[in-house]
Parts: sequence; C-alpha cells; structure tokens
Amino acid sequence: NAGVMQNPRHLVRRRGQEARLRCSPMKGHSHVYWYRQLPEEGLKFMVYLQKENIIDESGMPKERFSAEFPKEGPSILRIQQVVRGDSAAYFCASSPRAASLYGYTFGSGTRLTVV
Amino acid sequence: AQSVTQLGSHVSVSEGALVLLRCNYSSSVPPYLFWYVQYPNQGLQLLLKYTTGATLVKGINGFEAEFKKSETSFHLTKPSAHMSDAAEYFCAVTNINAGGTSYGKLTFGQGTILTVHP
Repeated sequence: NAGVMQNPRHLVRRRGQEARLRCSPMKGHSHVYWYRQLPEEGLKFMVYLQKENIIDESGMPKERFSAEFPKEGPSILRIQQVVRGDSAAYFCASSPRAASLYGYTFGSGTRLTVV
Repeated sequence: AQSVTQLGSHVSVSEGALVLLRCNYSSSVPPYLFWYVQYPNQGLQLLLKYTTGATLVKGINGFEAEFKKSETSFHLTKPSAHMSDAAEYFCAVTNINAGGTSYGKLTFGQGTILTVHP
C-alpha cells in the first residue's frame, strides 16, 4: 500500500530554468494539497486540487507557479524561471475526501535548490 | 483568518523527562487541530488530531494533547521522552467552512525542534 509518492526527492535547477515536481496520491485519494516549507519556517499552503480542478490556489504566488491534477497521472507543481528564493521543500498531501475529518497523508517532499 | 503560534522554537529535555510542546491557535469558528512530526529529510507524520468529542486526544508513540477552548490551546505532551522523539513538531489548525464541511487547508505553526539528551 504505497503512500504519497513525490519525485524527484531532490532537484537542482539553475536560475531561469523550469522545475517540475510530481505527486502521486495514495490509491483512492482524489484530493491533493501542495505546501511549501522555506528554511526555518513552517509549512505554508499553496494550492488544493481535485481531479482536473483547482479548488483553492490562494497560496500560490501570482507569477511563475502553476499546478494541475489531470484525470490520469500525477499532480504537477510547475515553477517557471526559478529564482533563488524558490529554494525550499515542497510537500504534497492527499486525502480521500474533506481532509480535516480524516487527516492528510504527506509525501516525503521534493527539496528544490536553485543555484 | 486562523493562525497558530508555537511557543519555543527549540525545546531540550533529558531522556525520561516530561515533554511539553506548546501550541495556541486563533480561530473564529470551531477548529480542527493537529500535531505532526517531521524527522530530518522526511515528510510529515500525523501524531494526533482533535475534531470533536473528547478533548484529551491520544496519539501514536505515547503522545497526547488536550484541547482547551477557554485557553485556545492544544499543547502536546509525553510523560517520558525517548531519544527517538528527537524531531521537529508542527501544530496545525483548520476550520469548518460556512457549508459545514472543510476542505482541509491547514495553517501550520512555525515548528518546535525537540532535542532529547541522555
């Protein structure tokens, strides 16, 4: 029973490149959440998606960041033209339904380093 | 808007001593409260959660937390620390929205690093 799978675990990008972070939710989970953890800080909500729909993107930076959760395949968090300030750990969590009643399952994260 | 404050970014205890990690929240509606643990270079693992019902919640690894509405607190405790408890701990809150269900967007505290020394 695989948990939430995130890949890659570590990603190094040069400034200006694109970063693609993938999240495969647990089997049967159709709700996906992305969080960002900056150094020395707690996790900050970025976006909440259900299959093929963005429900809440209030935590996403207005530019360069996008997310999708297609009908087939993993959820993708895409960061265009990365800058040093994007260096962080990005965590994905999934849930079968309204998460607050059942709790999330978090992945192990992708640690993005921008050089 | 909701918020979470964890008092003390670092807590150090001796093995066998009481662990107390403090969490206070701010919420205009009844909260759902969580404690997560994060080991180095790993994801977050749910320790325990409070949704409704009994205010003293027991979790994994011997941890428990008590929801005190009057104090807006949800402190995490463990009677006897073990070396394996050394990790970072996060308190988090979410709310029920106007429709009576919550889609579960969590607001996290800044985290408390627990150090356990022999």
